[in-house]
Amino acid sequence: DIQMTQSPSTLSASVGDRVTITCRASESISSWLAWYQQKPGRAPKLLIFKASSLESGVPSRFSGSGSGTEFTLTISSLQPDDFATYYCQQYNSYSKTFGQGTKVEIK
Amino acid sequence: QVQLQESGPGLVKPSETLSLTCTVSGGSLSSYYWSWIRQPPGKGLEWIGYIYYSGSTNYNPSLKGRVTMSVDTSKNQFSLNLSSVTAADTAVYYCARDRGGTVTELDYWGQGTLVTVSS
Repeated sequence: DIQMTQSPSTLSASVGDRVTITCRASESISSWLAWYQQKPGRAPKLLIFKASSLESGVPSRFSGSGSGTEFTLTISSLQPDDFATYYCQQYNSYSKTFGQGTKVEIK
Repeated sequence: QVQLQESGPGLVKPSETLSLTCTVSGGSLSSYYWSWIRQPPGKGLEWIGYIYYSGSTNYNPSLKGRVTMSVDTSKNQFSLNLSSVTAADTAVYYCARDRGGTVTELDYWGQGTLVTVSS
């Protein structure tokens, strides 16, 4: 099974900061990676698919990059609505695996 | 707009079978894969498995042997059965759609339903 490892687990940042979250796969997944945002009590929301494609309606301050085994999610200027938990998810091998999540907190 | 809604008992006894149904509205089950994901309280997301509208399935190996999924295209529903549950199966259970007719990202999600395993 493909394992996904996110870092950091928790991130403290201020409004306006540039934030980067990393996701590493235990083997190559090409670009078959998605990023989701989850707020407390809510279902996850798709932000990025195929590693770098922005989902319709998602603000352009969100971007994704990477391929193979290393991926990043970047928020260019953190906004109050962005404080949430972020998950990566691979879908390379006809199965899916989520990372353990990164909580973005207010500094 | 596609909408998904989970339904089923909120409380299941240990050793019994957890059964949930996801009803899809605003779109058809046809030509899509449909997934179940769960999230224990305060923890991360775990993919349980998916079912194609035709009935083919793939399950998380960690749950294999306990998971069964089925689909009813006439009712636009798909279902999850998880047998021999323990307290570790207490979680919010989500249903979701794989976009694009193949195993991909999950673009539509249900709101989730909390299932507690307790006697």
